[in-house]
Amino acid sequence: QQPVQSPQAVILREGEDAVINCSSSKALYSVHWYRQKHGEAPVFLMILLKGGEQKGHEKISASFNEKKQQSSLYLTASQLSYSGTYFCGSEGFGNEKLTFGTGTRLTIIP
Amino acid sequence: NAGVTQTPKFQVLKTGQSMTLQCAQDMNHNSMYWYRQDPGMGLRLIYYSASEGTTDKGEVPNGYNVSRLNKREFSLRLESAAPSQTSVYFCASRHVPGQPQHFGDGTRLSIL
Repeated sequence: QQPVQSPQAVILREGEDAVINCSSSKALYSVHWYRQKHGEAPVFLMILLKGGEQKGHEKISASFNEKKQQSSLYLTASQLSYSGTYFCGSEGFGNEKLTFGTGTRLTIIP
Repeated sequence: NAGVTQTPKFQVLKTGQSMTLQCAQDMNHNSMYWYRQDPGMGLRLIYYSASEGTTDKGEVPNGYNVSRLNKREFSLRLESAAPSQTSVYFCASRHVPGQPQHFGDGTRLSIL
């Protein structure tokens, strides 16, 4: 079952904040976040492995609520370079596969 | 510092033709994956290989076959191409579960 991402698309002005949510119907071992720019391959952002874990990468951070099987990606003071489509990937226990969500298209305008 | 290399980058086929997409990684990763991505869509897993000598079906395996030739190489074959297989194909690899996947640049395949 594919994780559900929300919103599907968001438009922000430079400097604004955004939150992208990822929800799974299955128990999760980890959640991955990737960003894909148009015409390019997905690029890894971060992995969250433990319940309630929060990680950060410059102005991009994420949380993982293992009990709720949800993860959120936080983009603070967005920059033009943050534009792209963000995918979460869910990984179950003992499962070699990563199942990707449908993506959230983020557009940052000056 | 090649990472994951896919060939070819672009290909146009006629319906019914066969083709093999090649993927090689130089990171000594155990697991390799083939995905397809249709316009405006997410990544759907076609086949994967958890280790050399093993392959398993993903979400959308019909119409495809794979070969894990050795630890470095994982190929995807379309035996009789159909227009519904027009897509961008990505190969990815990683060391073990819980680690990030590294993607190749993709193969843009059009079937007329």
